Amino acid sequence: DSGVTQTPKHLITATGQRVTLRCSPRSGDLSVYWYQQSLDQGLQFLIQYYNGEERAKGNILERFSAQQFPDLHSELNLSSLELGDSALYFCASSRTGEGQPQHFGDGTRLSIL
Amino acid sequence: GESVGLHLPTLSVQEGDNSIINCAYSNSASDYFIWYKQESGKGPQFIIDIRSNMDKRQGQRVTVLLNKTVKHLSLQIAATQPGDSAVYFCAENTGGFKTIFGAGTRLFVKA
Repeated sequence: DSGVTQTPKHLITATGQRVTLRCSPRSGDLSVYWYQQSLDQGLQFLIQYYNGEERAKGNILERFSAQQFPDLHSELNLSSLELGDSALYFCASSRTGEGQPQHFGDGTRLSIL
Repeated sequence: GESVGLHLPTLSVQEGDNSIINCAYSNSASDYFIWYKQESGKGPQFIIDIRSNMDKRQGQRVTVLLNKTVKHLSLQIAATQPGDSAVYFCAENTGGFKTIFGAGTRLFVKA
């Protein structure tokens, strides 16, 4: 058990809809990362927050947004969903940020019908 | 569980043999490298890391080697066991807070 909790585990929705994925980091970790994993693209870094502030941005679509709250949990919002957004979405956390291993949750599987 | 990355490079080894998984990283300025193991239906799990001022680091049954000259990273698993079957990812920290993951290698351990 990594200590990182993601909810929900599975999400099925339709094109055009909006969903929110939630992540609770390990106790004491200040940094939260979001990744997308699809069959043909491996793990793609989306965005990172540190203590409530955005720190790094990857290939995150404009339809996607995230935030980290004062209690350090984070949410990833996906809107105007397309079939290609179907993937596993992982959250990871680390104590601070740079130069530390990340600890991953077990992901949310998003299926767009 | 469901498979991840059906078209990944695959390494098949006999139980008890040593495994070597290789990774070429992209950025010569990267200063921190990590190996992760991902089992079916689970998130990546940290195995071992190494900083750019080292060329070798050992853990329990695992060794990571770093060759900065050719931008190459390898993970050696001693006495491979069936429980080692998984997808293995290398990752590099490019400075700042961005981490780039490699495509992954699937390890099959034959009993």
